[in-house]
Amino acid sequence: AQSVAQPEDQVNVAEGNPLTVKCTYSVSGNPYLFWYVQYPNRGLQFLLKYITGDNLVKGSYGFEAEFNKSQTSFHLKKPSALVSDSALYFCAVRDNGPGNTGKLIFGQGTTLQVKP
Amino acid sequence: DTAVSQTPKYLVTQMGNDKSIKCEQNLGHDTMYWYKQDSKKFLKIMFSYNNKELIINETVPNRFSPKSPDKAHLNLHINSLELGDSAVYFCASSRSAGDYNEQFFGPGTRLTVL
Repeated sequence: AQSVAQPEDQVNVAEGNPLTVKCTYSVSGNPYLFWYVQYPNRGLQFLLKYITGDNLVKGSYGFEAEFNKSQTSFHLKKPSALVSDSALYFCAVRDNGPGNTGKLIFGQGTTLQVKP
Repeated sequence: DTAVSQTPKYLVTQMGNDKSIKCEQNLGHDTMYWYKQDSKKFLKIMFSYNNKELIINETVPNRFSPKSPDKAHLNLHINSLELGDSAVYFCASSRSAGDYNEQFFGPGTRLTVL
């Protein structure tokens, strides 16, 4: 079965420091990976995706993610965190099962807390 | 213009009632989805329609029935509401189920069953 794991419920970082939010995946076939952010009382917003090509993917708001096939990971990173980055982050993988439905399987989410 | 909109934003109702949530997208997308986010923030797909055809029907109680009158609209009707149905329901859309484009999410409908 395909799955996504975000091993940390919460990540705390000081403003200005680099941040990493971890994600590992398990899929059959090629992985198609996504990161979304959810601010309080809002819907999810797309940050970036890996489909193919360069292992370092750049996205919105200065975020980037590194695809590592051997470690089956897709960690989200930002060189310098802002207080406004504080939110809930979701990693997701596209289901490669039959039907080609575009279904996304989400990780459990990681709360990022950036302190001034 | 809001890309994916949902109504209502909040819904408070009694157990046993029937309620509907509506979703509309103005992005010209072919595929729409319903997700449920529980109190622990866990997000799970419920249904998906591609060009008005049901393509995802996860294991949810048959009290939940989606309906897509056209590509731009996807509604969710819930019969005989139960306490456990309390959650935030998100609608989303994507260009096509068969491609690898991102999904766009609505603002959510917070359902509280008393």
